[in-house]
Order: sequence, then structure tokens, then C-alpha cells
Amino acid sequence: GAGVSQSPSNKVTEKGKDVELRCDPISGHTALYWYRQRLGQGLEFLIYFQGNSAPDKSGLPSDRFSAERTGESVSTLTIQRTQQEDSAVYLCASSWDSAKTQYFGPGTRLLVL
Amino acid sequence: RKEVEQDPGPFNVPEGATVAFNCTYSNSASQSFFWYRQDCRKEPKLLMSVYSSGNEDGRFTAQLNRASQYISLLIRDSKLSDSATYLCVVNSGNTGKLIFGQGTTLQVKP
Repeated sequence: GAGVSQSPSNKVTEKGKDVELRCDPISGHTALYWYRQRLGQGLEFLIYFQGNSAPDKSGLPSDRFSAERTGESVSTLTIQRTQQEDSAVYLCASSWDSAKTQYFGPGTRLLVL
Repeated sequence: RKEVEQDPGPFNVPEGATVAFNCTYSNSASQSFFWYRQDCRKEPKLLMSVYSSGNEDGRFTAQLNRASQYISLLIRDSKLSDSATYLCVVNSGNTGKLIFGQGTTLQVKP
């Protein structure tokens, strides 16, 4: 079956612009996660959605970052007024329930000039 | 203290060697444990779940020690293709949120 998909695969933007990243989880997966991974670094948790519960936003680094999820489907991660330090790979993962195996998308590589 | 801690390595081993990685976690309420593998510039992929009694998948063996709050991964007869970063993953206490360690890098040399 189809895995987790993310778009765009690559994004180059200018400092100060807003960007929107999209994640399509595996159908039926109730949990969805966003992570950031800077070059040569580990995964940095950003936000976690589980069903209809309030999302866990504890990892969002600043109020420039926000994310939404429509029901148990698509999620978008928005970064406003991008900064050069936002350059990273943004990974999305989904799982059929919380604390279960996560399946990752290929990521969006964001470069802020 | 980080919730999940790993030795970043790198571990440089010759082909055929046996290598072991440990990972410690801080929350005694954690119940779900995994090892993931991440190749350079790729997304992480599940290597194996870790069960209380320990489990084996081919050349890979995972162990859980709840009393000491650590999990381990043993790789026997290392192959060049095992070169990657191995990520320890634990759920955060009683929540469903999974926490990833920073990863241990393995380089298998011919």
C-alpha cells in the first residue's frame, strides 16, 4: 500500500518568506508526528497529533511554527518569516495508534537563503 | 537529562565483527521500545521492536533491561551494508509520544 508522502520534496526560499509543508499519512493511521533534522544532527520532535485529542506542540521551537491536521488525514506544517536556521529536513511520520511503529515519509528538504 | 541517551560513536568495526549498542531511557513508565535505522540522507526505518523477553531477527538481537532502564542492540557478523545510524526509540512515559535518541553511527570496514 501507499506509504507516507510529503511535498514538496525540496524547497528553497528566501529569508522572511512563509513556507507550507504537507504530509499525507498512511490511510487509517491515527497518530501523526513532525520532526526536524538538521544536517548531521538527530531528530528533533516538533508536534504530535493523536486522533481528536489536542496536539502536543511542546517541540515547536517558536511561534513562527504551526501545524494543523484535518481529522485523521493530511497535515500541514507552516513556518512563517523563515530564518536561515530553519534550514533542515522536515520529516513526517504516522502510526496506526500512539506508541506504535512509526512510518516515515521521505522528508522535505528546506533551504532558507 | 535527555529522555533517551545513546553513545553517538562512531563505531568503526571490520566486516564480520560483533558490535553492541546501548541506549538508556529516563522514564520508568515507558512501555514501547524500538530500534530504527537511518541511512545517510534517508528517512529512518524500523529495524525491530524490542520486547520484554528480548528478541532476535537474523543477525540482530535486541534486549530490554527494565530495572536498569536500558535497551541494547547486538549485531553479529557485521556486513558493509550495516553501516548506518541506529536510533533508539522509547515512548514518553504513559503517553503515546515516541522519543528518538540522537543515534549511534556504525561504520563497517572491509
